[in-house]
Amino acid sequence: GAVVSQHPSWVICKSGTSVKIECRSLDFQATTMFWYRQFPKQSLMLMATSNEGSKATYEQGVEKDKFLINHASLTLSTLTVTSAHPEDSSFYICSDGRGDYNEQFFGPGTRLTVL
Amino acid sequence: GQNIDQPTEMTATEGAIVQINCTYQTSGFNGLFWYQQHAGEAPTFLSYNVLDGLEEKGRFSSFLSRSKGYSYLLLKELQMKDSASYLCAVGDSNYQLIWGAGTKLIIKP
Repeated sequence: GAVVSQHPSWVICKSGTSVKIECRSLDFQATTMFWYRQFPKQSLMLMATSNEGSKATYEQGVEKDKFLINHASLTLSTLTVTSAHPEDSSFYICSDGRGDYNEQFFGPGTRLTVL
Repeated sequence: GQNIDQPTEMTATEGAIVQINCTYQTSGFNGLFWYQQHAGEAPTFLSYNVLDGLEEKGRFSSFLSRSKGYSYLLLKELQMKDSASYLCAVGDSNYQLIWGAGTKLIIKP
């Protein structure tokens, strides 16, 4: 069964609003989680590494003030897209950083559409 | 720079065999991953190679040559449900995954 869940599965919002996406590790206490973005017909792009109890590490070109990440517990990381714009419409996927590294589990993804 | 190359699209026939190649240039190497991704869904893990050679797992096999910076995913006895994108990813020296753009595999009856 699924070991990483995401909520919501899809969301449609108006431009300028904020959207929160949750990522839960169901069977593992994840000190690290990863947030990816995938545009149609493109590969996964790592946005940031979420660290439990400390600040997230953002990849170059990703605005930390726009994509707020909170990793308040070992099983939950949240990504908030603030002041969303149509160009933020994408498929957002999280994965939990398991200690054994050699098998990352992905959440089912959240499809965001900004009108 | 870091680079992962794989074909954009491949077509194969149901019941046949297909090989999807992946070449990579990364700063450091901590394993190569293959993931399957159906349209609109998140990737699912297929295989992980860190040593040279062939790893077989049912109908799927994955091969790695570190000296050549090369891997392939071999799918046997193709089924229609195998139609998907196949993503190659390499763990770099920081254990961060560098992703290829994916190969869209189309299976025809």
